[in-house]
Amino acid sequence: DVVMTQSPLSLPVTLGQPASISCRSSQGLVYSDGNTYLNWFHQRPGQSPRRLIYKVSNRDSGVPDRFSGSGSGTDFTLEISRVEAEDVGVYYCMQGTHWPRTFGQGTKVEIK
Amino acid sequence: EVQLVESGGGLVQPGRSLRLSCTTSGITFGDYAMSWVRQAPGKGLEWVSFIRSNRFGGTTEYAASVKGRFTISRDDSKNIAYLQMNSLKTEDTAVYYCTRDHYNSFDYWGQGTLVTVSS
Repeated sequence: DVVMTQSPLSLPVTLGQPASISCRSSQGLVYSDGNTYLNWFHQRPGQSPRRLIYKVSNRDSGVPDRFSGSGSGTDFTLEISRVEAEDVGVYYCMQGTHWPRTFGQGTKVEIK
Repeated sequence: EVQLVESGGGLVQPGRSLRLSCTTSGITFGDYAMSWVRQAPGKGLEWVSFIRSNRFGGTTEYAASVKGRFTISRDDSKNIAYLQMNSLKTEDTAVYYCTRDHYNSFDYWGQGTLVTVSS
């Protein structure tokens, strides 16, 4: 199975400041169709996860443009340009290139 | 408005069975693959099962942890996806989410249904 490793696992952030989460895969994530199926999800306490980013850098509808995804190969990053209070929660990366689909362990973002 | 509503969760003894349902609206259900993703209490997300649209044969995929015990299916006439769970184990205790597949990922999620396996 492809192992997804996130860092850090805990991220205290200051409102208005940038934040960055790293995700590394144990295998390359380029699919046979040429796409890289790396995704980012956000889960607030007590809520269902919500997808933010798909195919490395594509924001889902309604996702603020302060969220951006980047990366290639086995190294990927989610960046928040200016953290807002509603951004707290756990962020997960997930690969959809290989079976089984696998998630990272999650990064808990909280306000300092 | 897109809605995915899970039902069928509850308390069940180890070794028993349970069937989860995912009733959808606001999507052209038959055009999409569907997945189930679970989350054990206080833990992270784990993909469980996947079913392709009938256009692509309705074939299925399973996580190793549930293969041979769980069966995913779909009824396009009712816009419902199912997860039949047999031989349940205590480690299957989790919130089970129904999701729509989009670009090998999950773009819509239900609210989840809690399955507790305990004697």
